[in-house]
Amino acid sequence: NAGVTQTPKFRILKIGQSMTLQCTQDMNHNYMYWYRQDPGMGLKLIYYSVGAGITDKGEVPNGYNVSRSTTEDFPLRLELAAPSQTSVYFCASSRTGAVNVLTFGAGSRLTVL
Amino acid sequence: GEDVEQSLFLSVREGDSSVINCTYTDSSSTYLYWYKQEPGAGLQLLTYIFSNMDMKQDQRLTVLLNKKDKHLSLRIADTQTGDSAIYFCAESPSKGQNFVFGPGTRLSVLP
Repeated sequence: NAGVTQTPKFRILKIGQSMTLQCTQDMNHNYMYWYRQDPGMGLKLIYYSVGAGITDKGEVPNGYNVSRSTTEDFPLRLELAAPSQTSVYFCASSRTGAVNVLTFGAGSRLTVL
Repeated sequence: GEDVEQSLFLSVREGDSSVINCTYTDSSSTYLYWYKQEPGAGLQLLTYIFSNMDMKQDQRLTVLLNKKDKHLSLRIADTQTGDSAIYFCAESPSKGQNFVFGPGTRLSVLP
């Protein structure tokens, strides 16, 4: 199994450009998440989804959008990129159960200049 | 809101024990987790402990939980250079899906 796959691994954007970070999982997990990681700040939740067709905001959703049309895919859209969105983005998934274990992708490093 | 704190850096000598500490604020957390992040990679689950346990041991790893003080620790015995990584403490409040992560402790293992 591939687990959680994110693309691209690296991207440089100019201020005001838009892009989509792709995330797909093959574990049939119903929960999916997008986090951003900034140095010394831990991970902050951007958006999450509890199943196809359902998404909800996390702690830092401004400037981002998501969709969940299938169980497998959970793309993150950046509209009008800003330097404050320079970060490493991680997609993760989990299934319902007593212990909620996250499986992470390898990350996407985004730089906005 | 919920908050998780950790010291940012720890250095140990190869063969020594490492102890990484974490404090959290949400007393309703059902599970507490330790994740490991190696350079250029995503986080991987290292271990977890249920909130009604005091201790969990898994090979070289020992997790201690003090619920009264809301303090969690991870002890790595016989630390090796391959243990060099960032270690994140995380809590999962009750049955909610949102994890709260600490800032991570960067462990450096010196030869």
